[in-house]
Amino acid sequence: AQKVTQAQTEISVVEKEDVTLDCVYETRDTTYYLFWYKQPPSGELVFLIRRNSFDEQNEISGRYSWNFQKSTSSFNFTITASQVVDSAVYFCALSDVGAGGTSYGKLTFGQGTILTVHP
Amino acid sequence: KAGVTQTPRYLIKTRGQQVTLSCSPISGHRSVSWYQQTPGQGLQFLFEYFSETQRNKGNFPGRFSGRQFSNSRSEMNVSTLELGDSALYLCASSLLPTDTQYFGPGTRLTVL
Repeated sequence: AQKVTQAQTEISVVEKEDVTLDCVYETRDTTYYLFWYKQPPSGELVFLIRRNSFDEQNEISGRYSWNFQKSTSSFNFTITASQVVDSAVYFCALSDVGAGGTSYGKLTFGQGTILTVHP
Repeated sequence: KAGVTQTPRYLIKTRGQQVTLSCSPISGHRSVSWYQQTPGQGLQFLFEYFSETQRNKGNFPGRFSGRQFSNSRSEMNVSTLELGDSALYLCASSLLPTDTQYFGPGTRLTVL
């Protein structure tokens, strides 16, 4: 069975600080996808990134960067020079291509990390 | 391109009633997934539809059902509402079931 763990329930930082959100996953499949979503107070989940299990290259997009390490089953997310607008709940999610397609269309989410950036 | 839309945005019902929520996917997307979000259980997968067929189902009672129409629009229905069904119901669409899911704004259901 799939499982995603976000050990940090809440993180509070001051603007311009760097912050890393941790994500650890479990799956028995060799082919899977990892995601990060952001949920602002409005409630809509906003897609940030998707990585497949065969691509361990780290990725940087502006102030955001992601570190994927299969050896430790982790997919961590770093925000550099945080801003107040980054305040939201961040979810890590896993989707695997299970045997017979039984996991198709299903995302397994972590419990989320509430990030608060103070001015 | 318009995003995923969900209607209604807010609903208040009483125990025992039933409710139908609607989701219109991004144009061209054929897969629609539904999730329930509560403070206690977090985000949980309800079911997924592709080409009008339910391909996957989460661990929810039979009171939760859904369908998908030929234009890929989807509805979910909850019968005999319970207080614990109060939640944010999120719909997501993707081109195919294994592609990235894009979420709608959700329907906030309150059961009194």
